[in-house]
Amino acid sequence: GAGVSQSPSNKVTEKGKDVELRCDPISGHTALYWYRQSLGQGLEFLIYFQGNSAPDKSGLPSDRFSAERTGGSVSTLTIQRTQQEDSAVYLCASSLEAGDSSYNEQFFGPGTRLTVL
Amino acid sequence: DAKTTQPPSMDCAEGRAANLPCNHSTISGNEYVYWYRQIHSQGPQYIIHGLKNNETNEMASLIITEDRKSSTLILPHATLRDTAVYYCIVREWNRDDKIIFGKGTRLHILP
Repeated sequence: GAGVSQSPSNKVTEKGKDVELRCDPISGHTALYWYRQSLGQGLEFLIYFQGNSAPDKSGLPSDRFSAERTGGSVSTLTIQRTQQEDSAVYLCASSLEAGDSSYNEQFFGPGTRLTVL
Repeated sequence: DAKTTQPPSMDCAEGRAANLPCNHSTISGNEYVYWYRQIHSQGPQYIIHGLKNNETNEMASLIITEDRKSSTLILPHATLRDTAVYYCIVREWNRDDKIIFGKGTRLHILP
Protein backbone atom coordinates (compact mmCIF):
# COMPACT_ATOMS: atom_id res chain seq x y z
CA GLY A 1 0.00 0.00 0.00
CA ALA A 2 0.91 3.65 -0.12
CA GLY A 3 3.37 4.97 2.38
CA VAL A 4 3.67 8.39 3.94
CA SER A 5 3.82 11.07 1.30
CA GLN A 6 5.04 14.63 1.60
CA SER A 7 4.81 17.63 -0.66
CA PRO A 8 6.54 19.46 -2.08
CA SER A 9 9.69 17.37 -2.28
CA ASN A 10 11.77 20.53 -2.61
CA LYS A 11 10.96 24.11 -1.71
CA VAL A 12 13.15 27.14 -2.26
CA THR A 13 11.93 30.38 -0.72
CA GLU A 14 13.19 33.82 0.10
CA LYS A 15 13.89 34.93 3.63
CA GLY A 16 10.79 36.40 5.23
CA LYS A 17 8.27 34.45 3.17
CA ASP A 18 5.81 31.93 4.64
CA VAL A 19 5.86 28.27 3.60
CA GLU A 20 3.48 25.36 4.04
CA LEU A 21 4.62 21.76 4.04
CA ARG A 22 2.13 18.94 3.66
CA CYS A 23 2.10 15.39 4.99
CA ASP A 24 -0.28 12.60 4.00
CA PRO A 25 0.03 9.78 6.53
CA ILE A 26 -0.66 6.12 5.91
CA SER A 27 -4.39 5.54 5.88
CA GLY A 28 -5.66 4.53 9.32
CA HIS A 29 -2.64 5.79 11.21
CA THR A 30 -3.80 7.89 14.13
CA ALA A 31 -0.44 9.30 15.20
CA LEU A 32 1.53 11.77 13.07
CA TYR A 33 4.94 13.27 13.75
CA TRP A 34 7.05 16.07 12.32
CA TYR A 35 10.84 16.03 12.58
CA ARG A 36 13.52 18.08 10.88
CA GLN A 37 17.07 17.32 9.90
CA SER A 38 19.55 20.10 9.28
CA LEU A 39 22.60 19.50 7.12
CA GLY A 40 24.90 17.04 8.84
CA GLN A 41 22.72 16.89 11.93
CA GLY A 42 20.55 14.23 13.49
CA LEU A 43 16.78 14.18 13.49
CA GLU A 44 15.09 16.76 15.71
CA PHE A 45 11.53 16.25 16.91
CA LEU A 46 9.10 19.12 16.24
CA ILE A 47 5.51 18.10 17.05
CA TYR A 48 3.30 15.05 17.43
CA PHE A 49 -0.41 14.59 16.76
CA GLN A 50 -2.74 11.97 18.13
CA GLY A 51 -5.83 12.35 15.98
CA ASN A 52 -6.30 16.08 15.47
CA SER A 53 -4.83 17.16 18.78
CA ALA A 54 -1.16 17.81 19.51
CA PRO A 55 -0.16 16.45 22.94
CA ASP A 56 3.45 17.45 22.42
CA LYS A 57 4.53 20.64 20.70
CA SER A 58 7.73 20.91 22.67
CA GLY A 59 10.03 20.66 19.69
CA LEU A 60 8.72 23.64 17.76
CA PRO A 61 11.70 26.02 17.72
CA SER A 62 9.78 29.29 17.76
CA ASP A 63 6.31 30.77 17.44
CA ARG A 64 6.94 31.13 13.71
CA PHE A 65 6.33 27.39 13.47
CA SER A 66 2.84 25.93 13.67
CA ALA A 67 1.13 22.76 12.56
CA GLU A 68 -2.37 21.49 12.22
CA ARG A 69 -4.05 18.26 11.36
CA THR A 70 -7.57 17.95 10.05
CA GLY A 71 -9.87 14.95 9.81
CA GLY A 72 -7.30 12.84 11.58
CA SER A 73 -5.39 12.62 8.34
CA VAL A 74 -3.46 15.29 6.43
CA SER A 75 -1.17 17.61 8.37
CA THR A 76 0.33 20.94 7.40
CA LEU A 77 3.46 22.44 8.94
CA THR A 78 3.60 26.20 8.46
CA ILE A 79 6.71 28.33 8.89
CA GLN A 80 6.10 32.06 8.94
CA ARG A 81 8.71 34.69 8.08
CA THR A 82 11.27 32.06 7.17
CA GLN A 83 14.88 32.50 8.19
CA GLN A 84 18.00 30.94 6.70
CA GLU A 85 18.42 28.72 9.76
CA ASP A 86 15.07 27.10 8.90
CA SER A 87 16.75 25.42 5.93
CA ALA A 88 16.52 21.68 6.54
CA VAL A 89 14.79 18.49 5.48
CA TYR A 90 11.39 18.28 7.16
CA LEU A 91 10.30 14.69 7.74
CA CYS A 92 6.86 13.42 8.57
CA ALA A 93 6.07 10.03 10.10
CA SER A 94 2.89 8.21 11.05
CA SER A 95 2.02 5.22 13.18
CA LEU A 96 -0.90 3.23 14.50
CA GLU A 97 -2.09 4.00 18.00
CA ALA A 98 -0.06 2.18 20.59
CA GLY A 99 -1.63 -1.10 21.58
CA ASP A 100 -0.86 -3.81 24.02
CA SER A 101 0.53 -6.33 21.62
CA SER A 102 2.09 -4.54 18.71
CA TYR A 103 4.95 -2.16 18.20
CA ASN A 104 3.67 1.07 16.77
CA GLU A 105 6.49 1.54 14.32
CA GLN A 106 6.86 5.02 12.91
CA PHE A 107 6.83 5.03 9.12
CA PHE A 108 8.65 8.00 7.63
CA GLY A 109 7.98 9.90 4.46
CA PRO A 110 10.70 11.01 2.03
CA GLY A 111 10.83 14.52 3.45
CA THR A 112 10.62 18.06 2.09
CA ARG A 113 13.91 19.81 1.50
CA LEU A 114 13.46 23.48 2.41
CA THR A 115 16.03 26.03 1.32
CA VAL A 116 15.70 29.60 2.54
CA LEU A 117 17.77 32.05 0.53
CA ASP B 1 19.00 13.73 25.09
CA ALA B 2 19.71 10.45 23.40
CA LYS B 3 20.45 7.71 25.92
CA THR B 4 22.75 5.80 23.59
CA THR B 5 26.35 6.06 22.42
CA GLN B 6 27.43 4.86 18.99
CA PRO B 7 30.66 5.20 17.00
CA PRO B 8 30.29 7.97 14.42
CA SER B 9 31.34 5.80 11.49
CA MET B 10 32.30 2.28 10.48
CA ASP B 11 33.47 0.48 7.35
CA CYS B 12 32.54 -3.03 6.28
CA ALA B 13 33.49 -5.04 3.22
CA GLU B 14 30.65 -6.07 0.95
CA GLY B 15 29.49 -9.61 1.70
CA ARG B 16 30.85 -9.59 5.22
CA ALA B 17 28.86 -9.24 8.42
CA ALA B 18 28.48 -5.69 9.67
CA ASN B 19 28.46 -5.46 13.47
CA LEU B 20 27.25 -2.10 14.78
CA PRO B 21 27.71 -1.52 18.53
CA CYS B 22 25.61 0.60 20.84
CA ASN B 23 26.07 1.48 24.50
CA HIS B 24 23.02 2.21 26.64
CA SER B 25 24.34 1.89 30.19
CA THR B 26 21.44 3.83 31.76
CA ILE B 27 18.68 1.75 30.18
CA SER B 28 15.80 1.07 32.56
CA GLY B 29 13.85 -2.12 32.99
CA ASN B 30 10.87 -1.09 30.87
CA GLU B 31 12.91 0.26 27.98
CA TYR B 32 13.52 -1.54 24.73
CA VAL B 33 16.37 -1.17 22.25
CA TYR B 34 15.28 -0.14 18.76
CA TRP B 35 17.28 0.28 15.59
CA TYR B 36 16.40 2.47 12.62
CA ARG B 37 18.46 3.30 9.59
CA GLN B 38 18.43 6.23 7.18
CA ILE B 39 19.62 5.75 3.65
CA HIS B 40 20.76 8.93 1.92
CA SER B 41 17.88 11.23 0.91
CA GLN B 42 15.27 8.97 2.49
CA GLY B 43 13.37 8.96 5.77
CA PRO B 44 14.42 6.61 8.57
CA GLN B 45 13.34 2.99 8.35
CA TYR B 46 12.63 0.69 11.29
CA ILE B 47 14.89 -2.38 11.44
CA ILE B 48 14.40 -4.33 14.65
CA HIS B 49 13.80 -4.04 18.37
CA GLY B 50 14.36 -6.13 21.50
CA LEU B 51 14.10 -6.16 25.28
CA LYS B 52 16.59 -8.70 26.58
CA ASN B 53 16.48 -11.71 24.28
CA ASN B 54 18.34 -11.78 21.00
CA GLU B 55 16.10 -11.05 18.04
CA THR B 56 16.32 -11.85 14.33
CA ASN B 57 14.23 -10.82 11.36
CA GLU B 58 14.69 -10.72 7.62
CA MET B 59 16.83 -7.60 7.82
CA ALA B 60 19.12 -8.11 10.80
CA SER B 61 19.90 -9.67 14.15
CA LEU B 62 20.02 -7.86 17.47
CA ILE B 63 22.27 -9.13 20.24
CA ILE B 64 21.67 -7.60 23.70
CA THR B 65 24.13 -8.25 26.52
CA GLU B 66 22.87 -9.95 29.65
CA ASP B 67 23.15 -6.75 31.70
CA ARG B 68 21.36 -4.88 28.84
CA LYS B 69 23.91 -2.10 28.92
CA SER B 70 24.98 -2.62 25.35
CA SER B 71 23.81 -4.24 22.13
CA THR B 72 25.02 -5.06 18.63
CA LEU B 73 23.10 -4.88 15.39
CA ILE B 74 24.29 -7.47 12.90
CA LEU B 75 23.74 -7.27 9.15
CA PRO B 76 24.82 -10.79 8.19
CA HIS B 77 25.83 -10.22 4.57
CA ALA B 78 26.25 -6.51 3.97
CA THR B 79 25.56 -5.12 0.50
CA LEU B 80 26.20 -1.69 -0.97
CA ARG B 81 22.53 -0.89 -0.37
CA ASP B 82 23.15 -1.17 3.37
CA THR B 83 25.22 2.02 3.29
CA ALA B 84 23.29 4.30 5.65
CA VAL B 85 23.24 5.98 9.05
CA TYR B 86 22.13 3.51 11.72
CA TYR B 87 20.40 4.81 14.83
CA CYS B 88 20.23 2.92 18.11
CA ILE B 89 17.35 4.14 20.27
CA VAL B 90 16.24 3.30 23.79
CA ARG B 91 12.54 3.76 24.37
CA GLU B 92 9.68 2.47 26.44
CA TRP B 93 7.47 -0.13 24.82
CA ASN B 94 4.64 1.19 22.70
CA ARG B 95 5.13 4.87 23.30
CA ASP B 96 3.04 7.06 21.02
CA ASP B 97 5.29 10.04 21.29
CA LYS B 98 8.52 11.20 19.73
CA ILE B 99 11.60 9.18 18.99
CA ILE B 100 14.79 10.80 20.26
CA PHE B 101 17.45 10.16 17.65
CA GLY B 102 21.15 10.48 18.43
CA LYS B 103 23.87 11.03 15.85
CA GLY B 104 23.95 7.37 14.79
CA THR B 105 26.69 5.41 13.04
CA ARG B 106 27.45 6.09 9.40
CA LEU B 107 28.10 2.67 7.88
CA HIS B 108 30.13 2.53 4.68
CA ILE B 109 30.00 -0.72 2.74
CA LEU B 110 33.16 -1.09 0.69
CA PRO B 111 33.03 -2.92 -2.67
